[in-house]
Amino acid sequence: EDQVTQSPEALRLQEGESSSLNCSYTVSGLRGLFWYRQDPGKGPEFLFTLYSAGEEKEKERLKATLTKKESFLHITAPKPEDSATYLCAVQAPGTYKYIFGTGTRLKVLA
Amino acid sequence: NAGVTQTPKFQVLKTGQSMTLQCAQDMNHNSMYWYRQDPGMGLRLIYYSASEGTTDKGEVPNGYNVSRLNKREFSLRLESAAPSQTSVYFCASSESIYRDSYNEQFFGPGTRLTVL
Repeated sequence: EDQVTQSPEALRLQEGESSSLNCSYTVSGLRGLFWYRQDPGKGPEFLFTLYSAGEEKEKERLKATLTKKESFLHITAPKPEDSATYLCAVQAPGTYKYIFGTGTRLKVLA
Repeated sequence: NAGVTQTPKFQVLKTGQSMTLQCAQDMNHNSMYWYRQDPGMGLRLIYYSASEGTTDKGEVPNGYNVSRLNKREFSLRLESAAPSQTSVYFCASSESIYRDSYNEQFFGPGTRLTVL
């Protein structure tokens, strides 16, 4: 069964303390993995798409990487405004459906 | 561009009442989706519409119906609401034309529904 698992469930960091969020997947023939940010009371906001193992994408303090089994979202020197829930998703091959992980709730303390 | 809009933002229903959640997108996207989000469960797909005129069941379709009114609009109907349908509902759209297009989704702000 196609699955997406994110860890940790929650993460508290001090401002400036770098860390990584993990997204592991069991999807055969993966050709697209997506990262989203979700603020409380709002809909998910698209961050990145990664298409193949070895690909990396960056946006401000965020860098997403992809291997054949997992993806990492690296947060460098985070700020309180980076506090949010980060979701990853894959598109089930051969379908229009997307499979989401349950997310990592990130809290960055000033 | 407004992106994806949803109405209403909040709703309280009594068990057995019906209602329709509205969704519209102005990005000329082909595919539209309805999800529900519950604590600890993540986003679960209720129904989706790959293109105008087509709809298909997702992971949790029971108790819901949908209508793809035109390319812009995709509505979700609860015929007889139950407390188990208390959730936050998100509509999303994607440019996806083909099954393996791997296009990102754009989400609306959500509807917070409580069924008493």
